[in-house]
Amino acid sequence: EVQLLESGGDLVQPGGSLRLSCAVSGLTFSSHAMAWVRQAPGKGLEWVSAITGSGGSTYYADSVKGRFTISRDNSKNTLYLQMNGLRVEDTALYYCAKDERLNAFYGLLDYWGQGTLVTVSS
Amino acid sequence: EIVMTQSPATLSVSPGESATLSCRASQSVSSSLAWYQQKPGQAPRLLIYGASTRATGIPARFSGSGSGTEFTLTISSLHSEDFAVYYCQPYNNWPPGVTFGQGTKVQIK
Repeated sequence: EVQLLESGGDLVQPGGSLRLSCAVSGLTFSSHAMAWVRQAPGKGLEWVSAITGSGGSTYYADSVKGRFTISRDNSKNTLYLQMNGLRVEDTALYYCAKDERLNAFYGLLDYWGQGTLVTVSS
Repeated sequence: EIVMTQSPATLSVSPGESATLSCRASQSVSSSLAWYQQKPGQAPRLLIYGASTRATGIPARFSGSGSGTEFTLTISSLHSEDFAVYYCQPYNNWPPGVTFGQGTKVQIK
């Protein structure tokens, strides 16, 4: 059974940093691209970032480019999102999701975690 | 960037009735279109991909159609567990990225 478990969400002040983790089990982690998708309270889904299976290519939404960094440790079956320069508008539930295709980022997200809450407030 | 427009924003339907949700893309996405269902307090779940293929475990009352820029999700004979928000999303884009429609909330009439 494929499982994705996010952690690391917290209350942080504007300008602060946070690192999210997503532990994955039940699949060959290194074979699949992964993504982060967020959802602000009461709002829709917003894609944040993605990374290929090897970690060799990364992609970002314009809203987080230059502030967030996605990475992965395939030896630990774990996906990360380093968030710097946090803004109030980054407040959201952050989901990690698995790409259906192998290796490249295809964008079809077939498994999702339950999310971790990031609150940016002074 | 491809912009996805869903309509209506809210759909009120009685249990047992059918619901038709629409999704329009600002440019052709061929058949690379997915639908997700999100219930309150839960993560999104993949329902449909390839515009019309049901994901594993999705009941046959869910069907998708369309190609290019116009897509439809139909839920026949709504069950209580089907009341949720539904999002459409194109994939296999270049440059790589993901955009979601704003969602359609299907609520009990």
